[in-house]
Amino acid sequence: IQLTQSPSSLSASVGDRVTITCRASQDISHYLAWCQQKPGKAPKLLIYAASILHGGVPSRFSGSGSGTDFTLTISSLQPEDFATYYCQQLNNYPYTFGQGTKLEIK
Amino acid sequence: EVQLVESGGGLVQPGGSLRLSCVASGFSLISYSMNWVRQAPGKGLEWVSYISSSGRTIYYADSVKGRFTISRDIAKNSLYLQMNSLRDEDTAVYYCAKEFYGSGTSPWGSWGQGTLVTVSS
Repeated sequence: IQLTQSPSSLSASVGDRVTITCRASQDISHYLAWCQQKPGKAPKLLIYAASILHGGVPSRFSGSGSGTDFTLTISSLQPEDFATYYCQQLNNYPYTFGQGTKLEIK
Repeated sequence: EVQLVESGGGLVQPGGSLRLSCVASGFSLISYSMNWVRQAPGKGLEWVSYISSSGRTIYYADSVKGRFTISRDIAKNSLYLQMNSLRDEDTAVYYCAKEFYGSGTSPWGSWGQGTLVTVSS
């Protein structure tokens, strides 16, 4: 299953609302996760089952979608949110990732 | 607290071998499936291998099938990745990752810090 994220990179300012999309090549129901990775660090789980916030993740993060189309939204960007975001399908192995979206400060 | 600590990375020549370890604490490997994931320099994430909580189900990415072997030692609560016939394109940071809950569709809630494998002559 291929996952296509858009955009590949994004420049935004603190306080902005941003949306990242992830499209699957086939129906994966709600078996999609989003993770955040900062330079030199391991990825961290943000959202799973398309819309469930992982423990400790701020409520400004939200996810939606099912089937083949999914979105990650950050309602009001904070300085610590500038990172790379990946979607990952958990419908079946191999658990593929999107190519990533690098979120940079404008 | 769940902790995953990888080790065993380093510089190896093409065709060589390396064994990565991932020591787990705060949970038992018999209760959770585990994965190896890698990230080439400046690139995205690539799943490498999976072992189920029972140890009976194992999967590999096509890119490593026949060259890499995933295993575990329950007594040491450790996960391993034996990597043989290494190629330049295997150069990456390798992470172990633990499923969040015991289910076939579970996301990965915990990751190790990663260990760098460099394949170069």
